[in-house]
Amino acid sequence: DQQVKQNSPSLSVQEGRISILNCDYTNSMFDYFLWYKKYPAEGPTFLISISSIKDKNEDGRFTVFLNKSAKHLSLHIVPSQPGDSAVYFCAARISARQLTFGSGTQLTVLP
Amino acid sequence: IAGITQAPTSQILAAGRRMTLRCTQDMRHNAMYWYRQDLGLGLRLIHYSNTAGTTGKGEVPDGYSVSRANTDDFPLTLASAVPSQTSVYFCASSELGGKNEQFFGPGTRLTVL
Repeated sequence: DQQVKQNSPSLSVQEGRISILNCDYTNSMFDYFLWYKKYPAEGPTFLISISSIKDKNEDGRFTVFLNKSAKHLSLHIVPSQPGDSAVYFCAARISARQLTFGSGTQLTVLP
Repeated sequence: IAGITQAPTSQILAAGRRMTLRCTQDMRHNAMYWYRQDLGLGLRLIHYSNTAGTTGKGEVPDGYSVSRANTDDFPLTLASAVPSQTSVYFCASSELGGKNEQFFGPGTRLTVL
């Protein structure tokens, strides 16, 4: 049973528009959430994170929103750029324990 | 260059053979991890180590073993490879606690025939 779910395997967005990637979780004990970005033939790289005590965290073009009542988080990329095309993984953890990853969403930003 | 190195980059292996995937980090991180990435399943934790001398089982540990003799190295061994172990394997490291931001190596693509 997947505790972290990314239900959209792929997403295509026009350059300059907003990309919204979604992630749902089932375990209410998760207290920290992270987004990773992965290019082909490379390892994932950390992008942005949010603590469960917050509902929003922003870093440049990237914003993560957390809705604890819905057990849902989303990553917004504004404006989207072709270089943002990659697989995005959301991940969650309980206290200082290991991360649980979602299955990933392939984002394609069209020029 | 600081980071994580993995070897080999790729490998084709006959079923039943023994294989060790190597992972070395130079960031002096306490914790290290092994994941496998499979299409539609994301990253699944195989084994982890919170500090040198200790290891733990992740979500999919069967058929794999690890050791952590020192801080920098965390090899993953397949004692007798099977085709279902065909995957891309990523090693990662992090500080214990805090934000647990994990840094990943470039991966090893393993094919078991």
